[in-house]
Amino acid sequence: NAGVTQTPKFQVLKTGQSMTLQCAQDMNHEYMSWYRQDPGMGLRLIHYSVGAGITDQGEVPNGYNVSRSTTEDFPLRLLSAAPSQTSVYFCASRGTSGTNEQYFGPGTRLTVT
Amino acid sequence: KQEVTQIPAALSVPEGENLVLNCSFTDSAIYNLQWFRQDPGKGLTSLLLIQSSQREQTSGRLNASLDKSSGRSTLYIAASQPGDSATYLCAVRVTGANSKLTFGKGITLSVRP
Repeated sequence: NAGVTQTPKFQVLKTGQSMTLQCAQDMNHEYMSWYRQDPGMGLRLIHYSVGAGITDQGEVPNGYNVSRSTTEDFPLRLLSAAPSQTSVYFCASRGTSGTNEQYFGPGTRLTVT
Repeated sequence: KQEVTQIPAALSVPEGENLVLNCSFTDSAIYNLQWFRQDPGKGLTSLLLIQSSQREQTSGRLNASLDKSSGRSTLYIAASQPGDSATYLCAVRVTGANSKLTFGKGITLSVRP
């Protein structure tokens, strides 16, 4: 199993540009989520999904959109990038039965200039 | 609202020392608690997960304990090595099938040779 994969690893955007961060998992996990990690702020939940077709907002959803058309994929879209969105973004997944252990992807480092 | 605290924010110890990392949480109605390790520039790696019905979990030189009534968990690292240098985060999941993980800000551990 590849686990949770994210692309790209690094990205530089100009203010106002849009882009999509990709996330995929091959563990057949129902629950997927996106976090951002900033110095001094810890990990903050952006959006999450409990299954295909179902998404919900986390703590810091403004400026981001998500969709979940398949169990495997959970892309995060930045609609109009702002310097405040400079951060490291992590995707995570877990099953909703068994141990419910959460697994993280390697992250995407995004810089908005 | 669940709050998770990890103190101190940073710790430096000589190689070979046994050490304890602390995690406290405010709401004792938890489903499980998970300890992660994060190396600089990398994603989060799951170390141990303790279900609410368990008191401890062990993996190699790591032992995590859980005391729900006092709102505390500890991660014990035996015979520390320079390779243990990393940031250690604890995360708590409250009761509920779709509930989210609440993270502490982590403890950055440095093991001196």
